[in-house]
Amino acid sequence: GQNIDQPTEMTATEGAIVQINCTYQTSGFNGLFWYQQHAGEAPTFLSYNVLDGLEEKGRFSSFLSRSKGYSYLLLKELQMKDSASYLCAVRDTNNAGNMLTFGGGTRLMVKP
Amino acid sequence: GAVVSQHPSRVICKSGTSVKIECRSLDFQATTMFWYRQFPKQSLMLMATSNEGSKATYEQGVEKDKFLINHASLTLSTLTVTSAHPEDSSFYICSALSTTSGVSYEQYFGPGTRLTVT
Repeated sequence: GQNIDQPTEMTATEGAIVQINCTYQTSGFNGLFWYQQHAGEAPTFLSYNVLDGLEEKGRFSSFLSRSKGYSYLLLKELQMKDSASYLCAVRDTNNAGNMLTFGGGTRLMVKP
Repeated sequence: GAVVSQHPSRVICKSGTSVKIECRSLDFQATTMFWYRQFPKQSLMLMATSNEGSKATYEQGVEKDKFLINHASLTLSTLTVTSAHPEDSSFYICSALSTTSGVSYEQYFGPGTRLTVT
């Protein structure tokens, strides 16, 4: 199985930058995903990393280090609407059907 | 982008009754769909993997006789919660793995179904 750890809660200020970390342990790593989920809604895809390095997409960036089993999601120029849960998920080649395993999620609260 | 729908979005049922939730991929075919359950302030927990034309694979601790899954076509999977109890009240989310889009590694999530058992 996989162990995926991320902080439970974080608070940041509007306009600032926040980094949400995720560490994982897996035997057959085959990609790491970040999802955003607002309360009562389904997750929406943010980013996908399978190779080491930084992937930038607008205000959101995601970084991966496979050797360290580590990823982070970086949110810049925070807006109030960014208040949500951010889910780190890992795909393992040993999982049938390209199944994803989700971390516990990080609840981000953006304050004025 | 790919769209996955779920029906109903909300359902309230009495204890002991059964509820069926539908998950449809609207503009792509999905040989594999996943069913998740999410309790308040918790992350997604995979319940089962549904494969078109074959039996679903259930995660440890999920009763296959209580949560019946049918994936009869490439665009539809159903989850039936049988003999529902209040502890089954949860947010049920399906996702579908596209086999026709170029982004084959992405799961597309449905909007979720809020089940309340009274």
